[in-house]
Amino acid sequence: QIQLVQSGPELKKPGESLKISCKASGYTFTDYAMQWVKQAPGKGLQYMGWINTQTGKPTYADDFKERFVFSLETSASTAYLQINNLKNEDTATYFCWNNYFDYWGQGVMVTVSS
Amino acid sequence: NTVMTQSPTSMFISVGDRVTMNCKASQNVGTNVDWYQQKTGQSPKLLIYGASNRYTGVPDRFTGSGSGTDFTLTISNMQAEDLAVYYCLQYNYNHTFGAGTKLELK
Repeated sequence: QIQLVQSGPELKKPGESLKISCKASGYTFTDYAMQWVKQAPGKGLQYMGWINTQTGKPTYADDFKERFVFSLETSASTAYLQINNLKNEDTATYFCWNNYFDYWGQGVMVTVSS
Repeated sequence: NTVMTQSPTSMFISVGDRVTMNCKASQNVGTNVDWYQQKTGQSPKLLIYGASNRYTGVPDRFTGSGSGTDFTLTISNMQAEDLAVYYCLQYNYNHTFGAGTKLELK
C-alpha cells in the first residue's frame, strides 16, 4: 500500500537550519510529483510548492521562494524539505503530499524557539 | 495570486443538519477546485475533485458544485464523524487553499 512516512519532530533555534524527510513506498517514486504543505499551529493549510521527481526541478509558491529548498534522493524514494535561517514563524507542521493518489505524510512538527 | 475566500469561518451544527459552505475565487478557476476534510490531529483527506466529483470512498452525503469563481460543498444529513475543518483548493493558477470552514457541534 502507498505510504508517505516523514521524519520526527524538530526543535530548533532561530537562525539554524533543518532538513526533514518524506519516504515514499508502494508506488514508483519518480512517476509522481511531491507536494509540500505548511500548517501553522491552529491555522489553515498553506501550499508551499512541489518538486518534479523525474527531473528534480522544484517550484516554490511565492511565500517560500527564499530559505526553503526541496530536494530528492530518488534511490531511496525520499523527498526532503530544507529550511534555512529558521524564524519563529516557521513553527508549524509540514506535510508532504502525493496529490495524484491523495496520500499525505503524517506531518512533521517543527518548533523554532530561542 | 488567486485568493480563495471561504465562508463561513465556522458553523455550529447538529447531527442530521444540512450544511452548506462556500468558496469564492478571486478569478475564474474553471472547475479546478478540490475540497479537503481535516480532522483534529490528522492529515487532510480529499473529498471532492474537479469541483463536483466525489473521491473514491467518500459518502454520497458530500456534494460539490460550482464553476468559475463560486463553489459550494454541501453535507446532507450531517454526521458526528463529519466534524472537521473543510478546505477548498484551487489548482488552476498554481495552488491556493482557502482559510477553512470549521464545523462544531451546537
